[in-house]
Amino acid sequence: NAGVTQTPKFQVLKTGQSMTLQCAQDMNHNSMYWYRQDPGMGLRLIYYSASEGTTDKGEVPNGYNVSRLNKREFSLRLESAAPSQTSVYFCASSEPAPEGYTFGSGTRLTVV
Amino acid sequence: GENVEQHPSTLSVQEGDSAVIKCTYSDSASNYFPWYKQELGKGPQLIIDIRSNVGEKKDQRIAVTLNKTAKHFSLHITETQPEDSAVYFCAASWGPSGYSTLTFGKGTMLLVSP
Repeated sequence: NAGVTQTPKFQVLKTGQSMTLQCAQDMNHNSMYWYRQDPGMGLRLIYYSASEGTTDKGEVPNGYNVSRLNKREFSLRLESAAPSQTSVYFCASSEPAPEGYTFGSGTRLTVV
Repeated sequence: GENVEQHPSTLSVQEGDSAVIKCTYSDSASNYFPWYKQELGKGPQLIIDIRSNVGEKKDQRIAVTLNKTAKHFSLHITETQPEDSAVYFCAASWGPSGYSTLTFGKGTMLLVSP
């Protein structure tokens, strides 16, 4: 029973590099989310997907893109990383939305 | 949009004491209020939730109360233990709907000393 799996767990990028954070859930949930966590800022929503084929912006979408590849997978892409994107990124899924989020273990990203 | 304020930001208690964390929300349409516990290096985990048609809910040593009129809700932990030490987040949302998302407070670091 894996729940929500995020890869990688740690990543260091240079400013301007690109990367994709992967997320997959095995609970057959329709809704998936990407949040970032910064010290003293709590969890802020970047993008979410209410169902396969749909994506919507959250509170802090600038500098990110997402893809809902299928019902299981929801990826987050940084096209040109900036130091301000240094953060811990969490993927979550839920059903029925927005109740009972299940979070992944997070990706710690450092942009230098 | 929804705004959730959480207090205090840090809370230190002795083992066996009670701990209370308070949150306020701004959107009167919100009807779902969960609490999450985050241990070091892990993702947040749901510990209890309450809906707007209920004033109080209890699960062993944990309870949540909701005051819709004042738009605030609280987490109560009794007989605290060292393993309760973690960061706790409150959240609010409306729903159920796939287009509704949780808005989180900024978190409370709870430290329980033996």
